[in-house]
Order: sequence, then C-alpha cells, then structure tokens
Amino acid sequence: AQTVTQSQPEMSVQEAETVTLSCTYDTSESDYYLFWYKQPPSRQMILVIRQEAYKQQNATENRFSVNFQKAAKSFSLKISDSQLGDAAMYFCAYRSFLQGAQKLVFGQGTRLTINP
Amino acid sequence: DVKVTQSSRYLVKRTGEKVFLECVQDMDHENMFWYRQDPGLGLRLIYFSYDVKMKEKGDIPEGYSVSREKKERFSLILESASTNQTSMYLCASSRDREFGYTFGSGTRLTVV
Repeated sequence: AQTVTQSQPEMSVQEAETVTLSCTYDTSESDYYLFWYKQPPSRQMILVIRQEAYKQQNATENRFSVNFQKAAKSFSLKISDSQLGDAAMYFCAYRSFLQGAQKLVFGQGTRLTINP
Repeated sequence: DVKVTQSSRYLVKRTGEKVFLECVQDMDHENMFWYRQDPGLGLRLIYFSYDVKMKEKGDIPEGYSVSREKKERFSLILESASTNQTSMYLCASSRDREFGYTFGSGTRLTVV
C-alpha cells in the first residue's frame, strides 16, 4: 500500500520569504499523481498544485512550485514571496494511476505559520 | 461555482446515538468520499463510493456505514456514536483519478 510522509509537523517563515515543505511517498507504481492541498482556518481544503509522475517538468502555479524527484520519491512544495494568506495546514497526497483507483492517500500535514 | 456541501459545520451528539452526516455535490461527479481528520494523523479514508448504491470500505470503516441512494448525495452513518469518533469529518467528490478532489468544509463532530 502507498504511504505519504510529511516529516515537518510545523514550519514558520517570515512574510515575503521563501519556504519549502517536504513530502516523501512510498509506492511500487511507475505512474501516479501527486497533489498539494491547503487547509486554511476556514477548513476548506483547496487544491494548490498537481503533478503527473510521467511528466518530468515540475509543476508551477504562480508563487507555488514543486520539486519532484521521482527516483527519490520526493515531492516538496516551494512557496515564494510568502503572504499572510498562505498560513494554513498543507497536505501532500498521492493518487494511483491504476484504472479504478480513486482514493487519495494523504500525509500527516504541515502547519505553516507566516510571521509578519 | 461548483460545490460540495456538508449539512452541519458543528455537531454534538451523545454516546450511543445514531448519527447521520450528509454530503451533497452539484458537479455530477461519480466518486464520493468520506475522510476523518485528526491532528498528527492527516486524513484517513472511511468509505468511498464510485457509483449510486455502490460503496467500498476505506482504511478505517469500523463503526461507520454509508448510503448513496442518489448520485449527488453521500451519507455517513455512525451506528452507535462513541467518544473515539470525535473528529473532523470531510466529504469530497471527484470526477476522475487525474483530478484532485473537491472538498466540503467539514463537520466537526463531538461525541460526549
């Protein structure tokens, strides 16, 4: 079974600086999807970024980018120019590419604090 | 704006009560999911459904059941609530595996 590990329960960063959240996963599959979700205090989970494992190019969405290292099974999230609104729980998630495999497997989460 | 709606934001129930958590989506998604979220444990899958009247157990189904009589509605049932079921419950739906989920805003359930 696939597992996802986020080894940083909490992180903090100064406003306008850059922070990287770590995620590793374990799988025997060669094709899959990886996601980062953000959960602000409102509790609404929001998709931040998505990566297909068969694509070598790292995904980017505005200030958010990933460093996808397939061989190392690592999927870190970099947030540039951190803003107060980035404060939230961040979850890394894995989804199998197999037909019929629909569930997401989540990591434990990292709580990000932005210091003004 | 597409939505997943959970009927209650906060809920307090007594031990032994039968509890229904309702979730409705307006996106015509085939797949729906119930997760519970606990500090330090992330999100754990309770049950999911890939079609009307179809259901599959997730990783922690004990003490729960589900119902999906209509495509848009997926209900989580706690047959006899216990204090260890105090948690945040998140419902989600999904169109296909290449996409992520759309989540509801969660129900924080306290069992006393």
